Amino acid sequence: DTAVSQTPKYLVTQMGNDKSIKCEQNLGHDTMYWYKQDSKKFLKIMFSYNNKELIINETVPNRFSPKSPDKAHLNLHINSLELGDSAVYFCASSQRFLGYTFGSGTRLTVV
Amino acid sequence: DQQVKQNSPSLRVQEGRISILNCDYTNSMFDYFLWYKKYPAEGPTFLISISSIKDKNEDGRFTVFLNKSAKHLSLHIVPSQPGDSAMYFCAASANQGGSEKLVFGKGTKLTVNP
Repeated sequence: DTAVSQTPKYLVTQMGNDKSIKCEQNLGHDTMYWYKQDSKKFLKIMFSYNNKELIINETVPNRFSPKSPDKAHLNLHINSLELGDSAVYFCASSQRFLGYTFGSGTRLTVV
Repeated sequence: DQQVKQNSPSLRVQEGRISILNCDYTNSMFDYFLWYKKYPAEGPTFLISISSIKDKNEDGRFTVFLNKSAKHLSLHIVPSQPGDSAMYFCAASANQGGSEKLVFGKGTKLTVNP
C-alpha cells in the first residue's frame, strides 16, 4: 500500500544507454514531480505534471523526457546517459500542499 | 544561487534536550515553508509546515517558527529522542501556476545521543 512507489530502486548502467524510471502514486493527487538529489545532496525539482499536463520544466537537458500516461503515473526517460547523470532521483506527488509525498528514490549510477 | 540555506551541516544534541535547526531564505515571494526528515536510502518524509501568514506552528514535539522580516525559520524538537537522528531539510515554495515547486536547503544532519 505504498503511496508513491518508484522503480527500480537501484540502476547501474553504462554511458550512452537509454533508461527509464517509473513512478506511480495511489493517493489520488493531481500533481506529480521529479526531483534530483546530486552529489552535493541538493534536492532540486526537474519537472512537475498536473493532470498529465507539464507545468514545471526546470533547466534540464533534452535527454530527460518525462511522460505522464495518466495522473497516477509519471515516468522519467533518460537518453544517452552521461556520468554526470549519476544521482538519486525522487518522484513525488501532492494535492496542493496537502500530503506532498516523496517516493523512496532511485539511485542511478552511470559507469 | 541558493534561495534556501541551511548553514549548519550537522548538529549533535543530547537525548531529552532541545534541537534547533535553522533555515534562511532569500526569496520574499516564498509563502509556504516545510520541514522534511530523511533517513538514508529513503525518500524525504513530511514533518511540519507553516504558511507565511503565521509565525508559529506546533505539532507534538515539533514546532516551526517563522520570522518573515528576517527571512528565517527554525524547527524546534523537544525533547529530542535518538530516533530523531536523521537529515532534516527545509523547503520553501512560491506557488507557481498551481503546481507547488519546492526549493530545498542542503540539509542538516541531526544526531541525538542517548
